[in-house]
Amino acid sequence: DTGVSQDPRHKITKRGQNVTFRCDPISEHNRLYWYRQTLGQGPEFLTYFQNEAQLEKSRLLSDRFSAERPKGSFSTLEIQRTEQGDSAMYLCASSLRGRGPGANVLTFGAGSRLTVL
Amino acid sequence: AQKITQTQPGMFVQEKEAVTLDCTYDTSDPSYGLFWYKQPSSGEMIFLIYQGSYDQQNATEGRYSLNFQKARKSANLVISASQLGDSAMYFCAMRAGSNTGKLIFGQGTTLQVKP
Repeated sequence: DTGVSQDPRHKITKRGQNVTFRCDPISEHNRLYWYRQTLGQGPEFLTYFQNEAQLEKSRLLSDRFSAERPKGSFSTLEIQRTEQGDSAMYLCASSLRGRGPGANVLTFGAGSRLTVL
Repeated sequence: AQKITQTQPGMFVQEKEAVTLDCTYDTSDPSYGLFWYKQPSSGEMIFLIYQGSYDQQNATEGRYSLNFQKARKSANLVISASQLGDSAMYFCAMRAGSNTGKLIFGQGTTLQVKP
C-alpha cells in the first residue's frame, strides 16, 4: 500500500475555469475526507464520505464545489468557475471507521496545490 | 460550538530540550478524540498522537506525550529531547462525537529547534 495518492500535485488555472482533483485512499479505508489549507493556516474541513455516501459537507462550501466517490474507492473534487480565493492546497485523507486508537486516525495525502490566476 | 485553539503562533526550543505546545478545545459532546499532527516544510501531514476523551492515562508515543487535562479542556503536546528534525508546524485537532470522522483543526504552532 502506497498511502493516499493525490493528482495532480500542482494545478495552475485561469479564473473562471473548472478544475478537478483526484484522490486514491488507502485501499482498506472506508472513509475519505477533503480539506483545504491556505498558507499558515490549519486545514479547513470541506466534506467526507463513508464508502460512497457523502456524510457531511461544510456549510462554508460554495455550490461551485462538488465531490464524488462513486464506487467507494477513489474520489474527485471539482471546483467550477474558479476564483482567485480558491487558491489553496487541497488535502485528501482517509481513515478506517472502527474502535480503538488506531481507527479514525486520518492519513493524509501530499495535497494538490491550486493556483488561480 | 466545537473549536480548537492554539495560542502560540511560534515557538523556539534548544536542541535536546523539552517543549510544550498548547492546545485548548471546546465541545459539549462527552465523546471526543484529540489528535496532534506535524507538518514539515515539505507539506505532508504526519499523525503523531491520539487521546480519547475516556482514556484514563495520558497518551505517549516515543518522544511525544499528550498532557490531557479534561477539566481545563486542554491537550498540550510535550516533545522531549527536541531534535532539529522536529522543526515544523504542529496542529492540534479534535473529532467531536462518536458518529463522525471529521476532524477540526487549530491554527497551528510553528516550532523551530535551535542547534
